Amino acid sequence: DVKVTQSSRYLVKRTGEKVFLECVQDMDHENMFWYRQDPGLGLRLIYFSYDVKMKEKGDIPEGYSVSREKKERFSLILESASTNQTSMYLCAMQRGGPRSSYNEQFFGPGTRLTVL
Amino acid sequence: RKEVEQDPGPFNVPEGATVAFNCTYSNSASQSFFWYRQDCRKEPKLLMSVYSSGNEDGRFTAQLNRASQYISLLIRDSKLSDSATYLCVVTHWGGGGNKLTFGTGTQLKVEL
Repeated sequence: DVKVTQSSRYLVKRTGEKVFLECVQDMDHENMFWYRQDPGLGLRLIYFSYDVKMKEKGDIPEGYSVSREKKERFSLILESASTNQTSMYLCAMQRGGPRSSYNEQFFGPGTRLTVL
Repeated sequence: RKEVEQDPGPFNVPEGATVAFNCTYSNSASQSFFWYRQDCRKEPKLLMSVYSSGNEDGRFTAQLNRASQYISLLIRDSKLSDSATYLCVVTHWGGGGNKLTFGTGTQLKVEL
């Protein structure tokens, strides 16, 4: 079974704190993604990575950064958390490189982050 | 205009009913199309791909109309367990790779 794990299901942080969201996959897939999901807005892509040390901005990268030091791990970083970053954060993986025709993405269980 | 648009619902239907969802997309260069299912407080999971010729998987039928840029999902003989949010997903090349764009989802509630 494909497995994507995220470090926390629920997280509460204060404004201005640095926040790390960790995502680990067990399938040795190259492609990993971070989304946030908000009511009425759906899933929006924050950052993605096609390989170790590589990262690409998604549609809403402002206020976020990422780290991919190992193939299986993709971290999302909020340098200085703000209340408008309160959201559900979903990590996903997808097999194949950037031009892969394999489109199915497998998601982690999500982290519900609240910034006070 | 959103890249992928869906009626948010909720669609409240009795068990055994047939229900259909539509989704429209704006990028005519879109290449692949999918329906994902998301249960309450869970992650999205792939339900089925959508092909131009239409495809069926048990009680579920998906159709694609490229000329009109919409896709549909038909659920026959709906079950209580079909209650979920159904996400329309469209892919196209962008940002150096194959990019997925998700609709906001259509909520289905199947009732006794």
